[in-house]
Amino acid sequence: GAVVSQHPSWVICKSGTSVKIECRSLDFQATTMFWYRQFPKQSLMLMATSNEGSKATYEQGVEKDKFLINHASLTLSTLTVTSAHPEDSSFYICSARGGGLDSGANVLTFGAGSRLTVL
Amino acid sequence: KQEVTQIPAALSVPEGENLVLNCSFTDSAIYNLQWFRQDPGKGLTSLLLIQSSQREQTSGRLNASLDKSSGRSTLYIAASQPGDSATYLCAAPDSTDSWGKFQFGAGTQVVVTP
Repeated sequence: GAVVSQHPSWVICKSGTSVKIECRSLDFQATTMFWYRQFPKQSLMLMATSNEGSKATYEQGVEKDKFLINHASLTLSTLTVTSAHPEDSSFYICSARGGGLDSGANVLTFGAGSRLTVL
Repeated sequence: KQEVTQIPAALSVPEGENLVLNCSFTDSAIYNLQWFRQDPGKGLTSLLLIQSSQREQTSGRLNASLDKSSGRSTLYIAASQPGDSATYLCAAPDSTDSWGKFQFGAGTQVVVTP
């Protein structure tokens, strides 16, 4: 079946540094990918929608200069947390649309997530 | 590890009928459970969040129940409308994960016909 790979699965960084998280659709093309974040023991929240070849659409309250999203190809989207601070520590999950038997339809495949801890 | 199952995978009803969507989970040591809606081409939208201390949560025409002992949650949508057509997902946290990472069901695709 369709697989979405996220890397790294776990990252620890110092405050002030930038961290890049990759989201890849392994065996299908994904024109649209979504990025979510989850705070410890809280619900999952949509951050932005990433479309291949165009600028990401950010949800209200999400700082686009803080969370840079690049969707340069049909199989790769990246999320860069710039100048990370402890409050950015979270679990980040991506999902990609496509990969089902009718891949043009509404099928979402989720990555396993990336856990960011900022010291 | 938490496993979440949703039944049925797809559902088609005429407008006006009530919808019943089922979600089961294997790890009952959850602190909450969440229902989401996904429209075509969109990300997930949170519908209802039920805390473990609650038995149900209501928002407008939506009502979600939670029975931890049986590992089940049910989402009821009253008097369905064509605008309710979407995929509905439930997610339950994994108590073995220190951050309580949510595990998602595969979803129920709902079509409400006029």
